[in-house]
Formats: sequence, structure tokens, C-alpha cells
Amino acid sequence: GAGVSQTPSNKVTEKGKYVELRCDPISGHTALYWYRQSLGQGPEFLIYFQGTGAADDSGLPNDRFFAVRPEGSVSTLKIQRTERGDSAVYLCASSFSTATSGGNTGELFFGEGSRLTVL
Amino acid sequence: AQSVAQPEDQVNVAEGNPLTVKCTYSVSGNPYLFWYVQYPNRGLQFLLKYITGDNLVKGSYGFEAEFNKSQTSFHLKKPSALVSDSALYFCAVSPVHTGRRALTFGSGTRLQVQP
Repeated sequence: GAGVSQTPSNKVTEKGKYVELRCDPISGHTALYWYRQSLGQGPEFLIYFQGTGAADDSGLPNDRFFAVRPEGSVSTLKIQRTERGDSAVYLCASSFSTATSGGNTGELFFGEGSRLTVL
Repeated sequence: AQSVAQPEDQVNVAEGNPLTVKCTYSVSGNPYLFWYVQYPNRGLQFLLKYITGDNLVKGSYGFEAEFNKSQTSFHLKKPSALVSDSALYFCAVSPVHTGRRALTFGSGTRLQVQP
């Protein structure tokens, strides 16, 4: 498709389980971002990939959260030992690379998100 | 660290009237500034951005925003609101030369346009 695709759109799991969320960015976009949006809040930055490498993972809340992008395209966000507080919409976005200059000038293209509910 | 403040949780305006959604920011150095809109059950959509140059930026759907460096503000405006403009609006910032390159978003402002 032409846009950012995220799967699953909805995921319900039990506390303590392991979860994977997938993001398929727009073809040709080298930058990929994961955000988390809780109800009534703005998107909260988690991690940013430039190509295959994590350029900034300072937003990951703890070591239960991990993300990969092995071939520089599809990315997977992995959450271990899920907690009720992890319940949120996880957003993925992609953009053309801005790594050669300071700051991020490119607009982000967002997927519709994966809604995670931890019971 | 950069931050964005959207002081109004909700803005109500009558259709046909002008609207303003407020945003102030804090960064080290110069900012890149963005507005995004989120419709129900949809992903965030880009509206407009300020990178450099003219302080008045025009974007999609008739929206515009004015960058004011002295007041560290980037308020979103539209001369005549439509009911279809009702949505959640987010302001975002990225510093030009230092700090996190990923965008930092505000908490959002819900715009309600009444017919």
C-alpha cells in the first residue's frame, strides 16, 4: 500500500505476556519512528531508526521494550512481561531521511496505530 | 530537552468564525515546528510546518500558523472554521541543531466547530 501499515490494529493480552507490534513504512523512507499515545495525551516518543540502526532509543521506558529494523524497512516493537500500564495506542511513522542535517525537517507519515490492551 | 505546551484542552468555535489553537514551545536554539491533525480512528496527518523564512506558514485545508520567536509561539489559525475541521490538533517541535531529532508533541487540543 501507499501508506504506513501497522499490524495488528488491536491486540488484547494478559499481564505478563509477550507482544510484538509490526510496522511497514512507506517504501523508500529511511527514517522510522515509534510513538506511544495514551488516552487524552499526545504521542510520546519511544525510538527512532535511521536505516537499520536505532539512532535514538532514549524514549523507551525500560528494558522490557525493544525494537528492531533488521533490513531497514519493516520494524517490530517488542514488549516483554507486559503490564497494565503498557496499554496504549502504539504509533509508527516514517519519513525521508533528515540525518544529514540537524533537526527533523521532514513531515512524518503516521500509520493508524496498534491499540494494545493489557488485562 | 524540548517541550511543547498546548494550554487549551478544547476550543469551541461557531462555523464561519475564525479559529485559533495555541502552541508554545521550548527548545535549545532554533526550532522546526509542526502541526498535525487527528480525526477519530485515523492516523495523525501533517498540516503544516515552519522550517525557515516567512513567519507565516500556510498549510492544508486553509490552515495557517504564525511563528513568533520572541513569544516562542506557533499558533494555528483559520479565517473561517468548518464543521469538518472538528478534530484533535497536535503541535510538535524538533530542535535545529541539538537534542532529540524526533518530534516532541504537545498534549493536543480538541477543536469543536458548531454548526
